[in-house]
Amino acid sequence: GAVVSQHPSRVICKSGTSVKIECRSLDFQATTMFWYRQFPKQSLMLMATSNEGSKATYEQGVEKDKFLINHASLTLSTLTVTSAHPEDSSFYICSARVENTIYFGEGSWLTVV
Amino acid sequence: GENVEQHPSTLSVQEGDSAVIKCTYSDSASNYFPWYKQELGKRPQLIIDIRSNVGEKKDQRIAVTLNKTAKHFSLHITETQPEDSAVYFCAASKTGYSTLTFGKGTMLLVSP
Repeated sequence: GAVVSQHPSRVICKSGTSVKIECRSLDFQATTMFWYRQFPKQSLMLMATSNEGSKATYEQGVEKDKFLINHASLTLSTLTVTSAHPEDSSFYICSARVENTIYFGEGSWLTVV
Repeated sequence: GENVEQHPSTLSVQEGDSAVIKCTYSDSASNYFPWYKQELGKRPQLIIDIRSNVGEKKDQRIAVTLNKTAKHFSLHITETQPEDSAVYFCAASKTGYSTLTFGKGTMLLVSP
């Protein structure tokens, strides 16, 4: 199946710093990618839809200035968590659609200390 | 928007038993219903999906049924094995849209 790759898989950062997570489509072009957040033992919550060449569409309640999304090419979307705080610690995962199936990246564990 | 309810939140079965997880959705326009299996700290893996033009789909020990009138769909796992233990998520979306609305998940524990 299609491959969506995410990097880094784990990252620890200090409060107040920013961290970037990359989501790549390895064998296909993705005009649209999706970013989810998952707290332990909870479901996946859509944060935003990343559109190549245009602004991301954020879900209600998600701060666009805190979670910066850039989709500069057809194979790469990035999520930058700015001024991170411990409550931002979570599992972040991206996905992309190929024809009628949605594939997920490996996910990125963010720990803010 | 779409709302997906999933039950039960946890399900414990003995190896060899069957397991059933049920979901309901609110948007009658939804027509694509995938099921994902997620092991701790890993990505969700698509295990089976169904579209609204069929009522049932089966793949070896896994089957999914869909009742469009009642707006509910179910995952059936037969002859469960310990390696089936994971969190299972149902989801719903509409053709042409890639946004998935997920249920809250079911933690399935299969005891040897």
